[in-house]
Amino acid sequence: GAVVSQHPSWVICKSGTSVKIECRSLDFQATTMFWYRQFPKQSLMLMATSNEGSKATYEQGVEKDKFLINHASLTLSTLTVTSAHPEDSSFYICSASSRGVRYGYTFGSGTRLTVV
Amino acid sequence: ELKVEQNPLFLSMQEGKNYTIYCNYSTTSDRLYWYRQDPGKSLESLFVLLSNGAVKQEGRLMASLDTKARLSTLHITAAVHDLSATYFCAVGPGSGNTGKLIFGQGTTLQVKP
Repeated sequence: GAVVSQHPSWVICKSGTSVKIECRSLDFQATTMFWYRQFPKQSLMLMATSNEGSKATYEQGVEKDKFLINHASLTLSTLTVTSAHPEDSSFYICSASSRGVRYGYTFGSGTRLTVV
Repeated sequence: ELKVEQNPLFLSMQEGKNYTIYCNYSTTSDRLYWYRQDPGKSLESLFVLLSNGAVKQEGRLMASLDTKARLSTLHITAAVHDLSATYFCAVGPGSGNTGKLIFGQGTTLQVKP
């Protein structure tokens, strides 16, 4: 079945530094990638949607300059958290969809980000 | 704005019992998804419901969809401890499978032996 590989699975960084999270679709072309953030005991909140080769569309309240999303190819999307602060600590999950994966969304394994 | 509401948000039940989780959504949609999430893990797809009256079953879990009532249910039959997890429903407001999903708040299920 469709697989999305997300790395790293966890990362600890210092305040003020940047962190990049990668999501790769291994056996299909991800025409659309969604990035979610999940705080403990809460639901998934959509941060942004990106289509291959286009600029990402950010949800209201999400700082586009802080959360940089790149979807340069049909198999790779990245989320860079710039100048991270402790309040950015969260679980980040990507999800890929494709017309080739009928009615399905494939989720990455998630990245636990801790900013100290 | 599409809203998705689940209830209950927390469910503690004994093994062997039956229970239902409800998922209401506010606008029309042709896609309803159910996911399971274990602590510290990502989402595992359970069911995709695509039409009114759709019913799908896998083991002790059965999901149904009533698009007229904008309601989906996830029924648990004879619960076992392994079913302890958080369950999310999600709705896609557009057609096809490339639109964004809006998630419910999640229902945390705790099955006690």
